[in-house]
Amino acid sequence: GQQLNQSPQSMFIQEGEDVSMNCTSSSIFNTWLWYKQEPGEGPVLLIALYKAGELTSNGRLTAQFGITRKDSFLNISASIPSDVGIYFCAGPRSSNTGKLIFGQGTTLQVKP
Amino acid sequence: DTAVSQTPKYLVTQMGNDKSIKCEQNLGHDTMYWYKQDSKKFLKIMFSYNNKELIINETVPNRFSPKSPDKAHLNLHINSLELGDSAVYFCASSQGTSGVGEETQYFGPGTRLLVL
Repeated sequence: GQQLNQSPQSMFIQEGEDVSMNCTSSSIFNTWLWYKQEPGEGPVLLIALYKAGELTSNGRLTAQFGITRKDSFLNISASIPSDVGIYFCAGPRSSNTGKLIFGQGTTLQVKP
Repeated sequence: DTAVSQTPKYLVTQMGNDKSIKCEQNLGHDTMYWYKQDSKKFLKIMFSYNNKELIINETVPNRFSPKSPDKAHLNLHINSLELGDSAVYFCASSQGTSGVGEETQYFGPGTRLLVL
């Protein structure tokens, strides 16, 4: 079935560093979504990608929809302590039911 | 002006009890979902309703019963709670289930359920 493999599983970086994480699948996705979950909160949508090759920015965040439609990456530039959280990639299952498949998450910790 | 809200935020209860979690969205969306997040933070869908009709029911014990009184509300009732039901439950909503952008889901803040 469709699965999303997210890497790395966790990152511990220094404030100011750039961060890159990615999501891959053996299946094609028509939409890629990136969410951030802070401790004690629900996932918050960061960036939505709807077209292969699309590169979208949201402040210091940039995400790309891979041209093969089987991968996506998220970059965070000049990290700050409030970037701490779990970042999830997600994509809709190809059944038009709205079901989202989630990656395992990348836990980001930023050292001031 | 919260988009997707859930109550309660915390729920501590004894094994065997019955409890309900409520969810409301004010986004005008047609589709609502319930997810379970386990201790490893993995998010797994449980149910989905579109226009008050059940469209996804993922291998969930029948002790869990969702109910959608209208498009803006999706409640989750759990009978005979078990220790393994302890988790964080998230409600979410989307405009629809297909079409560019319609599947994008917005999540509530979660309900932390602890069964003792």
